[in-house]
Amino acid sequence: DIQMTQSPSSLSASVGDRVTITCRASQDISNYLAWYQQKPGKVPKLLIYAASTLQSGVPSRFSGSGSGTDFTLTISSLQPEDVATYYCQKYNSAPRTFGQGTKVEIK
Amino acid sequence: QVQLQQSGPGLVKPSQTLSLTCAISGDSVSSNSATWNWIRQSPSRGLEWLGRTYYRSKWYNDYAVSVKSRITINPDTSKNQFSLQLNSVTPEDTAVYYCARDELVAAPDYYGMDVWGQGTTVTVSS
Repeated sequence: DIQMTQSPSSLSASVGDRVTITCRASQDISNYLAWYQQKPGKVPKLLIYAASTLQSGVPSRFSGSGSGTDFTLTISSLQPEDVATYYCQKYNSAPRTFGQGTKVEIK
Repeated sequence: QVQLQQSGPGLVKPSQTLSLTCAISGDSVSSNSATWNWIRQSPSRGLEWLGRTYYRSKWYNDYAVSVKSRITINPDTSKNQFSLQLNSVTPEDTAVYYCARDELVAAPDYYGMDVWGQGTTVTVSS
C-alpha cells in the first residue's frame, strides 16, 4: 500500500504568518490528493481536492499544490480560526490512506 | 442537505463484534457518484480508513489490509443506510468511528469526503 507522510507533525506560528505543510506519497499518485482540516472536537472538513482545487466555501488563504509524490498545503496568512490538525489523503485507489496529521497552533 | 446519522453501542467487550450503522438523508446509498466509508480515529493511529461500499451497476466493497479479515460493510437499500461490523475486537480497536460520504466532486474521478457522521466513541473493554 502507498504510505502518506506529512511534515512537520506540529508547528506554531504567529497570526498573519505564511504556513506550509508537506505531504509525501511513497508512490506516484498523480494529483489524487485531498486535504482536510479537523478542529478540536469536530469532524474533519474537506478543504482541497485534486491537490489544488478549493472546496466550495473554503477561504482563499488556503491553497494546495503538487503532483506525483510531493504536495503542499499553504495558509497564506494564518488566522486564529485556522488552529486545527490538517491531514492529507490519497485517493487514486483504495485504500484511502491518510497522512498522520500536522497540528497547527498559534504562537 | 446530505446528513449522516450514526448509531450503535459505545462499549464492546473484547472478542465480541462491534456494530455501527450510518443512516443517510439527502442522498442514496445506491448513488453512482458516491462511495460510503468507515474511518476511525485514535491517538495512536490517527485517521485510519477502514473500508467502503459503493454501487456501480453492482455492489463493491474495499477494505483496509489491517482489518480485512475482521470487517464487513453492508449497504441496506431498504433503509438507505450502511453498516460496519468488526469482529473479534481488542482494546486496540478503541477509537472514534466515523462514517463518511466520498463524493465525486469533479469529473472525471476526483473524490472528496465532503459529509461526515457525528462520530461514535467506541471503547473495547470488559
